[in-house]
Amino acid sequence: GQQLNQSPQSMFIQEGEDVSMNCTSSSIFNTWLWYKQDPGEGPVLLIALYKAGELTSNGRLTAQFGITRKDSFLNISASIPSDVGIYFCAGPPASNTGKLIFGQGTTLQVKP
Amino acid sequence: EAGVAQSPRYKIIEKRQSVAFWCNPISGHATLYWYQQILGQGPKLLIQFQNNGVVDDSQLPKDRFSAERLKGVDSTLKIQPAKLEDSAVYLCASSLVVWELFFGEGSRLTVL
Repeated sequence: GQQLNQSPQSMFIQEGEDVSMNCTSSSIFNTWLWYKQDPGEGPVLLIALYKAGELTSNGRLTAQFGITRKDSFLNISASIPSDVGIYFCAGPPASNTGKLIFGQGTTLQVKP
Repeated sequence: EAGVAQSPRYKIIEKRQSVAFWCNPISGHATLYWYQQILGQGPKLLIQFQNNGVVDDSQLPKDRFSAERLKGVDSTLKIQPAKLEDSAVYLCASSLVVWELFFGEGSRLTVL
């Protein structure tokens, strides 16, 4: 079935550093979404991308919709302690646009 | 604006017992989703409603799981009988704009 593979699985960085993570699939996606989940909470939508090549920012977060439509990237600049959490990519595969599937997540830890 | 409400937050039961979870979506959101999130994994869609009709329930284990959405608003998810592997967080989400899901805090189920 369709899968989203996130890399890296976890990251431990120093406050102030920039962060990069990505999400890849063997299938084509028409939409890419990035969510963040804090402990004990539900995921919260950070950025939605709807067009191949699109680059969208939300504060210190920037995400890109890959040209091949099989990948997406999320960057966080100047990380702060509250960036700690699990970041999920998600999307509806082009072959099954009725269903939103999630990657397995990238866990980010920030050392003050 | 009130968010997605879920209850109970925590539930511990023994295997073969039954359990029910309740969700109240954001007012005006026609689409409602139930996701299962096992520890260390991304959310997996169980069932998706559009108003009170089922859009997708292909991954719902129908021999033990059932869900309904009364009058196109509140929804309940039931598990009977529960198995050990059902231990997870059950997330309810709703959306107004396609794919822009708003999640509740989740209901954490432990099956002993």
